[in-house]
Amino acid sequence: EMQLVESGGGLVQPGRSLRLSCAAAGFRFNDYAMHWVRQAPGKGLEWISGITWNSGTIAYADSVRGRFTISRDNAKNSLFLQMDSLRPEDMAFYYCAKDRSSTWFEAFDIWGHGTMVTVSS
Amino acid sequence: EIVLTQSPATLSLSPGERATLSCRASQSVSTNLAWYQQKPGQAPRLLIYDASNRATGIPARFSGSGSGTDFTLTISSLEPEDFAVYFCQQRRSWPLTFGRGTKVEIK
Repeated sequence: EMQLVESGGGLVQPGRSLRLSCAAAGFRFNDYAMHWVRQAPGKGLEWISGITWNSGTIAYADSVRGRFTISRDNAKNSLFLQMDSLRPEDMAFYYCAKDRSSTWFEAFDIWGHGTMVTVSS
Repeated sequence: EIVLTQSPATLSLSPGERATLSCRASQSVSTNLAWYQQKPGQAPRLLIYDASNRATGIPARFSGSGSGTDFTLTISSLEPEDFAVYFCQQRRSWPLTFGRGTKVEIK
């Protein structure tokens, strides 16, 4: 069974950092692009970053560019999101999602259950 | 940034009825549009990609159509498990964007 499991969420003060991880299983991780998508409680979905299979193409939403860094370790079937200079508006569930494609960003066909990030003093 | 506008915000229907959900893009996205279903407390699930292709395991009662700026998700006959929120998403240009969602509720 294909699955994604996020970890690393929690309560953090504004201005501090947090690193999210996503462990993949049940599919060839290095065959696919991967993404982070977030959702504030009771709100809609916001794509925040994507990375192709070989990390050759990386993209960010304007809201996080310069503060968040996406990376992957294909040998460990893992995706990461380093979040620096966190703001209250970054508070959300963070989902790891698998793309249908390896070389481009298309649609998200497998999702993790999400990890909650709370930014508050 | 391409803005996706979904309508209606809420659709109140009974099981067995047909549901028609709309997604309009602020500029052409060709057929680079996907639809997702999300139930409370769950992650989204991909239903349709490239405007009209059903994802793996998605029942035939779900269908997508459209191109350019106007798209439709149709559920031919609502089952109890179909009452949820539906989002559209474009991949035509970065950033990838989602619509705000349409909630399909039981009438």
